[in-house]
Amino acid sequence: SAVISQKPSRDICQRGTSLTIQCQVDSQVTMMFWYRQQPGQSLTLIATANQGSEATYESGFVIDKFPISRPNLTFSTLTVSNMSPEDSSIYLCSFSFVTEAFFGQGTRLTVV
Amino acid sequence: GDSVTQMEGPVTLSEEAFLTINCTYTATGYPSLFWYVQYPGEGLQLLLKATKADDKGSNKGFEATYRKETTSFHLEKGSVQVSDSAVYFCASHNAGNMLTFGGGTRLMVKP
Repeated sequence: SAVISQKPSRDICQRGTSLTIQCQVDSQVTMMFWYRQQPGQSLTLIATANQGSEATYESGFVIDKFPISRPNLTFSTLTVSNMSPEDSSIYLCSFSFVTEAFFGQGTRLTVV
Repeated sequence: GDSVTQMEGPVTLSEEAFLTINCTYTATGYPSLFWYVQYPGEGLQLLLKATKADDKGSNKGFEATYRKETTSFHLEKGSVQVSDSAVYFCASHNAGNMLTFGGGTRLMVKP
């Protein structure tokens, strides 16, 4: 099965700064997904990223706050911009292959 | 849109007790269904899956059967261990290739 590597695994950031999270897949995938898991809660889809087009954002998420890049079929980044403590969460990238979804290891972000 | 509803936790059991975590879904078409597990401080791991009606997914003593007539995918284990303490997420996977997650159920198993 394909491997997906996500980094950083964790970070502590100052409010007002930005953090870029990277995901690398060892095979080409059409769509990649970015999720957020707030403390004690389930996963919420932030956006879907296709190569060569703008990401599609779910309700409640905007491009200015969570810009996404998808320069090729094996790589994607999510930036959390102008961070506040409310952005403290685990962020996960994911892709689907046939009938299964694969996840990165997650980025545990703490904003202080 | 698609949705997944699972029983709220936390669920607290003694070791060797029987576990059931209920999960129901609404979806257009015929989604694949999954259970994911998240151990403390770790990422999400696929526990088991079923891709069509009446399929039974199983792994590590856990089982779940895809019930189309009741739109359910309940997770069961006959004898839980302390090491099963984790958060369990039910999810559906639709034709759009995104996952829809339930709210998660925290399981605590006491020795």
